[in-house]
Amino acid sequence: NAGVTQTPKFRILKIGQSMTLQCTQDMNHNYMYWYRQDPGMGLKLIYYSVGAGITDKGEVPNGYNVSRSTTEDFPLRLELAAPSQTSVYFCASSSWTSGGASNEQFFGPGTRLTVL
Amino acid sequence: QQQVKQSPQSLIVQKGGISIINCAYENTAFDYFPWYQQFPGKGPALLIAIRPDVSEKKEGRFTISFNKSAKQFSLHIMDSQPGDSATYFCAASNGGATNKLIFGTGTLLAVQP
Repeated sequence: NAGVTQTPKFRILKIGQSMTLQCTQDMNHNYMYWYRQDPGMGLKLIYYSVGAGITDKGEVPNGYNVSRSTTEDFPLRLELAAPSQTSVYFCASSSWTSGGASNEQFFGPGTRLTVL
Repeated sequence: QQQVKQSPQSLIVQKGGISIINCAYENTAFDYFPWYQQFPGKGPALLIAIRPDVSEKKEGRFTISFNKSAKQFSLHIMDSQPGDSATYFCAASNGGATNKLIFGTGTLLAVQP
């Protein structure tokens, strides 16, 4: 299993451009998440999904959009990129079950995005 | 109520020493407390986790100590090794139907040989 894969690894955008960060998992997990990581700030949840066709906002959703048409894929869309969106973006997945022994989230390798 | 406060921001430990990282939370509904380890250029990976029905969990050189009344939990790394040098994040979740994690701000650990 490849686990959680993300593309691209690096990207430089100009202010106002748009792009989609791709995330795919091959573990048949029903839960998927997008985080951004800024220095000294930890990881902040942008959006999450509990299954295909179901998405919801996290802590910092402004400027982003997501979709979940399949179990495997959870792309993150940036519209009208701004310098404040310069960050490292991580996708994660988990197979949460009520009372389960582990709620482990598996993370991808990240996408480093710079907006100039 | 949703914050998880982590300290210290950075830590330098000699090889063989004990590394201790502390976290505090406010939301008493949290029922799952994991620690994640992140190496440079990589995504975080689960290191060890605890639920509030126990006060301590040990896996090899890594131990979580949990104090429910004080709403604090800590990670202890015994016999710290240079390979343990990484950023460590504590987190908390109130389970439910979303499994959302609230992360601390991270601790950069450097173990000197």
